[in-house]
Amino acid sequence: NAGVMQNPRHLVRRRGQEARLRCSPMKGHSHVYWYRQLPEEGLKFMVYLQKENIIDESGMPKERFSAEFPKEGPSILRIQQVVRGDSAAYFCASSPPTKNVLTFGAGSRLTVL
Amino acid sequence: AQTVTQSQPEMSVQEAETVTLSCTYDTSESDYYLFWYKQPPSRQMILVIRQEAYKQQNATENRFSVNFQKAAKSFSLKISDSQLGDAAMYFCAYRSMNYGGSQGNLIFGKGTKLSVKP
Repeated sequence: NAGVMQNPRHLVRRRGQEARLRCSPMKGHSHVYWYRQLPEEGLKFMVYLQKENIIDESGMPKERFSAEFPKEGPSILRIQQVVRGDSAAYFCASSPPTKNVLTFGAGSRLTVL
Repeated sequence: AQTVTQSQPEMSVQEAETVTLSCTYDTSESDYYLFWYKQPPSRQMILVIRQEAYKQQNATENRFSVNFQKAAKSFSLKISDSQLGDAAMYFCAYRSMNYGGSQGNLIFGKGTKLSVKP
């Protein structure tokens, strides 16, 4: 079992470009969560998805950010027109339908120049 | 809204000694989960221990144990026989059992950086 796989591990973008972060959940996990970690901070919830459904996006910024978890393939967190304040580590976690425990990926560090 | 507070930004412990990391939380719910996660320099978030609020018995995982005081809304982590590999950021987290829209939404504290001295 490969665990939660995130890629890329590091991504550098210039202001105004788009960033796409991918997350493949653990085998058997149908729930995906995205969190953002700013420097010296804990993780902040962004969005919770099941296959083809957004369940809770209460932590997502209203503009420029979107997430999907298609029927086939990884979950994608997309940030359009990135700004320096988007620089952070973005973590994906997955859980089985019981949702008792979340397993985290190693994170994707986005740097916006 | 629930909040999680870790009042110790940094802690230090001598190898083989015991250290306790503090965590308090605020909630109006009666059923919830509490977690401690470890984040080493690799940034991987690793689950250390979990506690269900309805269980009175404190959770234990090898050298890691918690002191869960539900009335005081306190959830401290005790690390016994500290090892160099325990050096990391430790995050306390809360999760509701309320099966509403926010199921799975972990609320994290700001973390405690633990150093282990040889």
